[in-house]
Amino acid sequence: DSGVTQTPKHLITATGQRVTLRCSPRSGDLSVYWYQQSLDQGLQFLIQYYNGEERAKGNILERFSAQQFPDLHSELNLSSLELGDSALYFCASSRQGAYEQYFGPGTRLTVT
Amino acid sequence: GDSVTQMEGPVTLSEEAFLTINCTYTATGYPSLFWYVQYPGEGLQLLLKATKADDKGSNKGFEATYRKETTSFHLEKGSVQVSDSAVYFCALLDTGRRALTFGSGTRLQVQP
Repeated sequence: DSGVTQTPKHLITATGQRVTLRCSPRSGDLSVYWYQQSLDQGLQFLIQYYNGEERAKGNILERFSAQQFPDLHSELNLSSLELGDSALYFCASSRQGAYEQYFGPGTRLTVT
Repeated sequence: GDSVTQMEGPVTLSEEAFLTINCTYTATGYPSLFWYVQYPGEGLQLLLKATKADDKGSNKGFEATYRKETTSFHLEKGSVQVSDSAVYFCALLDTGRRALTFGSGTRLQVQP
């Protein structure tokens, strides 16, 4: 158990809908990262937050957004969902100055 | 940009065989290197890391050495077990960007 929690574990929704994925980092970690794992694209970095502020952006679509709250949990919002958005979404966290990122169990999103 | 290349899988071995999974990288500067493991239905677990040239990371019998001259970080284990069956990901961290870049993953199947 990495100490990073994600909810829900599974999510099934229809095209055009909007969903919110939630992540709680390890105690004491200020950085949160979101990654997408799909069969065709592999594991891709989406976005990073540090202590409530956006720090880095990767291959995140404009339909996707994220935020980190004062209690350090983070939410990833996916809107106008398409079939191609079906994937595993992972959250990871790290301590200030540390190299390692610890991953949560992921949320499997299925868009039908 | 940064990239990581891993050998294609699946790799199928008998129990107690020697394992090597090749990983090479392309990056500017001096990235940190990691191996993560993903067991079926689970998230990514950090297996080992190396943060500078000639560092050797090790954990649970797995080892990898950061070779700057060949830009490689090959994963090895002297004697694999059935329980090592999983997908292994090589990754690099550009400290300036703080986001992990992953290889495509190598599936290992160990037969009794």
